Amino acid sequence: AQKVTQAQTEISVVEKEDVTLDCVYETRDTTYYLFWYKQPPSGELVFLIRRNSFDEQNEISGRYSWNFQKSTSSFNFTITASQVVDSAVYFCALTRVFSGGYNKLIFGAGTRLAVHP
Amino acid sequence: DSGVTQTPKHLITATGQRVTLRCSPRSGDLSVYWYQQSLDQGLQFLIQYYNGEERAKGNILERFSAQQFPDLHSELNLSSLELGDSALYFCASSGRDTQETQYFGPGTRLLVL
Repeated sequence: AQKVTQAQTEISVVEKEDVTLDCVYETRDTTYYLFWYKQPPSGELVFLIRRNSFDEQNEISGRYSWNFQKSTSSFNFTITASQVVDSAVYFCALTRVFSGGYNKLIFGAGTRLAVHP
Repeated sequence: DSGVTQTPKHLITATGQRVTLRCSPRSGDLSVYWYQQSLDQGLQFLIQYYNGEERAKGNILERFSAQQFPDLHSELNLSSLELGDSALYFCASSGRDTQETQYFGPGTRLLVL
């Protein structure tokens, strides 16, 4: 069975601190995709990044970076120099790859990040 | 803005009633997904449609049903509503550029009193 674990329920930091959100996943598939979504206080779910199981390169996008390690089944998300606007709930998710246009996201429980001025 | 639209944004109704939630996918996307977000269950996949056909079912109650129309918009029907159905219902779509990445609408917040 597939499972995503985000052990950190809530994290509180002061602006400009770096913060890492952990994500550990379980799957027996060799081909799969991992995602991070952001849910700000307004409630919508915003797509941040997708990584497939064959691409273990780390990715950096501005202040955001992602570290994918298949050996430890982890896909961690780091925000550098956090800002108040980063305050949100962040979800890690996993999907299998099927032919014929079928896929569903398995979400972790989410990590609530509060960035204080 | 993801390009996925959902109406209404908020819905307040009473137990036993029936409601319909509407979703328009991003232009070019053939797949529509429905998810439920509640405090106790988190984000749960309900159902997927692909070009008008049901493709996958998740934890969807028998009181709930959905369909995707020829213009690709989708509706989620919730009937015999219970207090526990109060939740945020998301629609997502995919397929225009990649099937795997789902783009979410703003959600419909349902409150059953």
